[in-house]
Amino acid sequence: GAGVSQSPSNKVTEKGKDVELRCDPISGHTALYWYRQSLGQGLEFLIYFQGNSAPDKSGLPSDRFSAERTGGSVSTLTIQRTQQEDSAVYLCASSLALPTGAGYTFGSGTRLTVV
Amino acid sequence: KQEVTQIPAALSVPEGENLVLNCSFTDSAIYNLQWFRQDPGKGLTSLLLIQSSQREQTSGRLNASLDKSSGRSTLYIAASQPGDSATYLCAVDRNNAGNMLTFGGGTRLMVKP
Repeated sequence: GAGVSQSPSNKVTEKGKDVELRCDPISGHTALYWYRQSLGQGLEFLIYFQGNSAPDKSGLPSDRFSAERTGGSVSTLTIQRTQQEDSAVYLCASSLALPTGAGYTFGSGTRLTVV
Repeated sequence: KQEVTQIPAALSVPEGENLVLNCSFTDSAIYNLQWFRQDPGKGLTSLLLIQSSQREQTSGRLNASLDKSSGRSTLYIAASQPGDSATYLCAVDRNNAGNMLTFGGGTRLMVKP
């Protein structure tokens, strides 16, 4: 597509439920990144994919968080047993193959609210 | 560990002023530096990308400079307008296999009519 598409744009969920956030990167971008932005906080790196593999999962805050990418395209970030501290904007970005000189393109994010 | 700092954290100016936003980083071994704009409740919009071998980039009323040796970048906004009100983020691309961005905390800009 023309840009990075994220869905849903907003999600309200009850504490303890599982949620799935979707990211559809720019066609041809082999690298995909997930970041989290909590209220009043900076952007926090979660995980990135090169193709379908995730070389660095060090940013995932707990084992309740997981992500996968299939077909070198769409990625899903799953949060199990959501907690109120998971409330944040989850941003996805994509870029051309490593190393990139073209920069990153971000989606508009998914605003997650855990009540 | 790379650390990115943006000063000031917030800035309020009258319309028409020229202004400078500052970004500093601790590790000069960077691949590139990118400036983003974020409107409230929205994602990030890329403004300018400066490769490590470049000194500056310009787009319209925006000019970004990079001094890699001193670990500094500035974003210059000419003739500011109320529509420029947003949070401006700089992000440094680390020169390693992870190829991830390290973001500054942002500068919240308010341009008053």
